Amino acid sequence: DTAVSQTPKYLVTQMGNDKSIKCEQNLGHDTMYWYKQDSKKFLKIMFSYNNKELIINETVPNRFSPKSPDKAHLNLHINSLELGDSAVYFCASSQDIREGLHDTQYFGPGTRLTVL
Amino acid sequence: GQNIDQPTEMTATEGAIVQINCTYQTSGFNGLFWYQQHAGEAPTFLSYNVLDGLEEKGRFSSFLSRSKGYSYLLLKELQMKDSASYLCAAMDSNYQLIWGAGTKLIIKP
Repeated sequence: DTAVSQTPKYLVTQMGNDKSIKCEQNLGHDTMYWYKQDSKKFLKIMFSYNNKELIINETVPNRFSPKSPDKAHLNLHINSLELGDSAVYFCASSQDIREGLHDTQYFGPGTRLTVL
Repeated sequence: GQNIDQPTEMTATEGAIVQINCTYQTSGFNGLFWYQQHAGEAPTFLSYNVLDGLEEKGRFSSFLSRSKGYSYLLLKELQMKDSASYLCAAMDSNYQLIWGAGTKLIIKP
């Protein structure tokens, strides 16, 4: 009955590899997000999808590619991993009905990515 | 540009009261959120303010002044479990959240 879930929770991999992180929400929300939180704990938005359509694409290397097969899922694929990609990646979702409180974002547990 | 400022770290004593301040500059405004994030965990929603004034929710209260671009989170009767980072986030005219870097709150016995 987890609201926003992510897999895997931990991911350790070598530089140059390609990896994916999966996210699913069962809240019936229309919008999903990917955030990166680095060692300084700053939460930085990467992507946002509304009903499977990309609505936010911040300055992120094109090695990062989100994919949304349906509005309950938003996966993140990362090609050619680099040392600087090491961080915690959070998925989140919101209703996005443009009414403030109802746009509260709910976060998944995070995926700690370590690139060696 | 859009910006959120909050102190990097604060220390308080168990049982005391602490106020965490946040100032924001956004293109338009659709509310101010506070989130709590324990080490190694996800941010969790604490409060939302869109009108001026104080919103009280148990030991936690949040205040907003739109004219000053200012908010604070007030934590009363501090408990050790309140040790966490507190993130301030303002929602702009496009309903996008602009996040602060967070305030790490350390509670001492």
